[in-house]
Amino acid sequence: GQSLEQPSEVTAVEGAIVQINCTYQTSGFYGLSWYQQHDGGAPTFLSYNALDGLEETGRFSSFLSRSDSYGYLLLQELQMKDSASYFCAVVTGFQKLVFGTGTRLLVSP
Amino acid sequence: NAGVMQNPRHLVRRRGQEARLRCSPMKGHSHVYWYRQLPEEGLKFMVYLQKENIIDESGMPKERFSAEFPKEGPSILRIQQVVRGDSAAYFCASSPPASTGYEQYFGPGTRLTVT
Repeated sequence: GQSLEQPSEVTAVEGAIVQINCTYQTSGFYGLSWYQQHDGGAPTFLSYNALDGLEETGRFSSFLSRSDSYGYLLLQELQMKDSASYFCAVVTGFQKLVFGTGTRLLVSP
Repeated sequence: NAGVMQNPRHLVRRRGQEARLRCSPMKGHSHVYWYRQLPEEGLKFMVYLQKENIIDESGMPKERFSAEFPKEGPSILRIQQVVRGDSAAYFCASSPPASTGYEQYFGPGTRLTVT
């Protein structure tokens, strides 16, 4: 079976740093992607890790440890517009993404 | 470059009717995926298509659901004899020919309501 675990909700204040964790158990693994989705909107791609380590893209960074079946998304200098749902997604095979249940991030002033 | 387009954005059907959802991938993209999302849940993979071929339909319900991506025109997700449980947001995504699928570009979705 396939399972991806994320916290259901995280709250933080503007300017803070927040980490959203993702642990996975899947039948195949090629890499871990992260997507952002605002309420009523389309998911948008944020980052991808195929190898262990940290990938940095502006205020967002993503980390992967394949041996621990674990990754996280790190958001720095939080802004109100970062309030959204964040999904981890495992590439389990050719062109196949399995999504987690999502973490709702609430950023307050 | 226009993004992934889906129509209609909202669709209301009575139980037993048919729903047809359309998706035009980004220009130059050859991979198309369909996902279903229930409120407060993640996206569930349904089907992956290339032009005129269904590559992976492991997430499609065995009955009433079908998908196609013809040589010309948009990809279509068809739901026959809809039931209340089919009410959900249906998202289409696409990716370029050389990709491995980790970065997919999503359309705005079709919100299907079955009454």
